[in-house]
Amino acid sequence: GAGVSQSPSNKVTEKGKDVELRCDPISGHTALYWYRQSLGQGLEFLIYFQGNSAPDKSGLPSDRFSAERTGGSVSTLTIQRTQQEDSAVYLCASSPRLAGLTYEQYFGPGTRLTVT
Amino acid sequence: AQSVTQLDSHVSVSEGTPVLLRCNYSSSYSPSLFWYVQHPNKGLQLLLKYTSAATLVKGINGFEAEFKKSETSFHLTKPSAHMSDAAEYFCVVSSGSARQLTFGSGTQLTVLP
Repeated sequence: GAGVSQSPSNKVTEKGKDVELRCDPISGHTALYWYRQSLGQGLEFLIYFQGNSAPDKSGLPSDRFSAERTGGSVSTLTIQRTQQEDSAVYLCASSPRLAGLTYEQYFGPGTRLTVT
Repeated sequence: AQSVTQLDSHVSVSEGTPVLLRCNYSSSYSPSLFWYVQHPNKGLQLLLKYTSAATLVKGINGFEAEFKKSETSFHLTKPSAHMSDAAEYFCVVSSGSARQLTFGSGTQLTVLP
């Protein structure tokens, strides 16, 4: 079946502009995660959605970052007033997480964001 | 709280020789542990996972890892490296009520001809 998809694959934007990154999880996966991978570093957790529960936003680095998930499926990560330090690869993952269990996460190919 | 330490940022081996990528973890609960691989300009791919069943876990492409609770380790091994194994490898932990994965900083594996 289809995996996690993300769009765009690459995004170049000017400092101060807003950007929206999209994630389409695997059909039927209830959990959705956003991560950021900066050059030469590991992955940094940003935000987590599970079903209809309130999202876990504990990883968002500033209030310029926000995300929503409509209809329990597609998610959009928005970065307002982008800064050069926001340049990174943004990865989305989904998981068929069930209560009390942890399943592996399936990652999309990422969106490479470059802020000039 | 949970954390992961990958002891080597770079590992270089010759083709046909064994691979050892080291990982130590810290977790307040019984952890689930994963190894992911990331090839250049490709997405993250799950290699294998440990979720409290057998301590020796076999994954794809001939990789395996052994969970050692006494040493809090989950090292990744492969008997014979192939050129296509060159990539970055991440050790990952998820435990207790934590809902996100915690990634190690990664180990870049180079395979020499």
